[in-house]
Amino acid sequence: AQSVTQLDSQVPVFEEAPVELRCNYSSSVSVYLFWYVQYPNQGLQLLLKYLSGSTLVKGINGFEAEFNKSQTSFHLRKPSVHISDTAEYFCAVTSNSGYALNFGKGTSLLVTP
Amino acid sequence: KAGVTQTPRYLIKTRGQQVTLSCSPISGHRSVSWYQQTPGQGLQFLFEYFSETQRNKGNFPGRFSGRQFSNSRSEMNVSTLELGDSALYLCASSSDTGRSPRYEQYFGPGTRLTVT
Repeated sequence: AQSVTQLDSQVPVFEEAPVELRCNYSSSVSVYLFWYVQYPNQGLQLLLKYLSGSTLVKGINGFEAEFNKSQTSFHLRKPSVHISDTAEYFCAVTSNSGYALNFGKGTSLLVTP
Repeated sequence: KAGVTQTPRYLIKTRGQQVTLSCSPISGHRSVSWYQQTPGQGLQFLFEYFSETQRNKGNFPGRFSGRQFSNSRSEMNVSTLELGDSALYLCASSSDTGRSPRYEQYFGPGTRLTVT
């Protein structure tokens, strides 16, 4: 089975500063990795995904992530955050063996002026 | 295309009652998954349906059940509600064809269930 660990439960950052949200996964098989964002009282929105190919993945709203197989990581980055990026971010993993997404506990990103 | 819709958005029930939640997937999507989100346990997979068949099931008691109709709409049912069932229930749909799984799941806004 696959699992995901999000290393930071909360990340405070100032507006226009860079940010990295960390995600490590464990799996004995090939994996597919995702980052989702959840704004208050809303569902989950897909930010980006890694299925195969280039290890640097670009997503919506200026976010990107790098798949690192040797370090089993899939960290999310943004070079300059906005107040509107304040939300909960979830890393998720799945594989060919199932259709379920296994989510991390989430990282709360708080952007302040 | 319209997104995934869930009804109702909010629900208050009493312990021991049962509840049915509804999900309409994105048009053309045949795979529907359900997740439970709580502050303590986070996001947990309940089950997944494809073409009216349950393909995958999470680790939840039998009180949690679901079904999918021929138009891909899905319902989940929770019987004999417990206080711990209070949660946000999220539905997601995917364009999985059944031959070549596509792993992008698109989520609805959720149904907030409160059990008193």
